[in-house]
Amino acid sequence: GENVEQHPSTLSVQEGDSAVIKCTYSDSASNYFPWYKQELGKRPQLIIDIRSNVGEKKDQRIAVTLNKTAKHFSLHITETQPEDSAVYFCAASIAGNQFYFGTGTSLTVIP
Amino acid sequence: ETGVTQSPTHLIKTRGQQVTLRCSPKSGHDTVSWYQQALGQGPQFIFQYYREEENGRGNFPPRFSGLQFPNYSSELNVNALLLGDSALYLCASSSAGTGGADTQYFGPGTRLTVL
Repeated sequence: GENVEQHPSTLSVQEGDSAVIKCTYSDSASNYFPWYKQELGKRPQLIIDIRSNVGEKKDQRIAVTLNKTAKHFSLHITETQPEDSAVYFCAASIAGNQFYFGTGTSLTVIP
Repeated sequence: ETGVTQSPTHLIKTRGQQVTLRCSPKSGHDTVSWYQQALGQGPQFIFQYYREEENGRGNFPPRFSGLQFPNYSSELNVNALLLGDSALYLCASSSAGTGGADTQYFGPGTRLTVL
């Protein structure tokens, strides 16, 4: 089955700096890659996603890049703010039938 | 328009017991997926239901079973509970129609504690 690895497990940045979280996947058939933000005690919230026919997608301060050849995708957050502090999960899916999540990255933005 | 809802919020059971968790999908969604999230871990896919049929299953034993009803709400049943089943159980809904089956929205989860 699919295996998703996520790095780093923890990340601390100064407010205003950028944060990058990287994920790799094993199944070349995976074609949908969402990113979720989970605050303590709350449900995961979809923040951005990318499909395999696109190499990059941006939404304000958040961007995701996908390299299908290398089977990795990354989340980029620019101009970080304290409210960006949370656990971020990447996931990979084949046509939305099964989702495989990474182990999460705990992001702390230091004011 | 209501989002994904789950019940109960919290549940405490003892080893060997059985439990049923419930999920109501977002309005207009016909696909429900269930996940187990242990503390400090990412969600682990249990199974997915699409219009009352199982549409994929993760690496969970048969004592984890499910059901989807004609109104697309869903149940997760776990038999013979083990201590290791203690976790947050999340359901997520999506639509195979307009939005595509891949864009999922999560419910708030049910926190199961097995003693």
